[in-house]
Amino acid sequence: EDQVTQSPEALRLQEGESSSLNCSYTVSGLRGLFWYRQDPGKGPEFLFTLYSAGEEKEKERLKATLTKKESFLHITAPKPEDSATYLCAVQARGETSGSRLTFGEGTQLTVNP
Amino acid sequence: DVKVTQSSRYLVKRTGEKVFLECVQDMDHENMFWYRQDPGLGLRLIYFSYDVKMKEKGDIPEGYSVSREKKERFSLILESASTNQTSMYLCASSPEEWGKPQHFGDGTRLSIL
Repeated sequence: EDQVTQSPEALRLQEGESSSLNCSYTVSGLRGLFWYRQDPGKGPEFLFTLYSAGEEKEKERLKATLTKKESFLHITAPKPEDSATYLCAVQARGETSGSRLTFGEGTQLTVNP
Repeated sequence: DVKVTQSSRYLVKRTGEKVFLECVQDMDHENMFWYRQDPGLGLRLIYFSYDVKMKEKGDIPEGYSVSREKKERFSLILESASTNQTSMYLCASSPEEWGKPQHFGDGTRLSIL
């Protein structure tokens, strides 16, 4: 069974204090790993897709990296507007139809000014 | 940009009512999904569809049914609403190709009284 575990559950940072969120996964062949951002009361917003170990993607203050067992979302010099819940999801090669994703429970990030 | 539109942001219904949640996507995606999201339980897949008139059960299909008569529209039906179906419901769509992200609507917060 595919599993995704995110840590920490919650993280409080001061503005400008860089940190990383972790996503550990167990999957029967990875087809893709996805990061999303979710603001309160809204749907998840797609950020990145990573396909193979060693791959990196960047967007503004966010950088996602991937190994064979985990992914990190690095946040450099965060601002209060980066406060959100960050979700990680995987798509397994074993899926037969519909491109199902398995989601982690998310990390709730709060950036204080 | 992909747009997934859910018909209601907030909905209040009574126990035993038949409830329809509607979702429309404008990107000609083959796959569509219905999730519910509850604190501490994350995103759980209810049903998904990879083609018109096709549907597959997700992880928690009990008490729900779906309809996909047109490619752009995917409906979730609560046949006889119960209080334990009070939740945030999220619709998503993705293209047929493997490894592509799902794109989400802003959700419907459903309360069953």
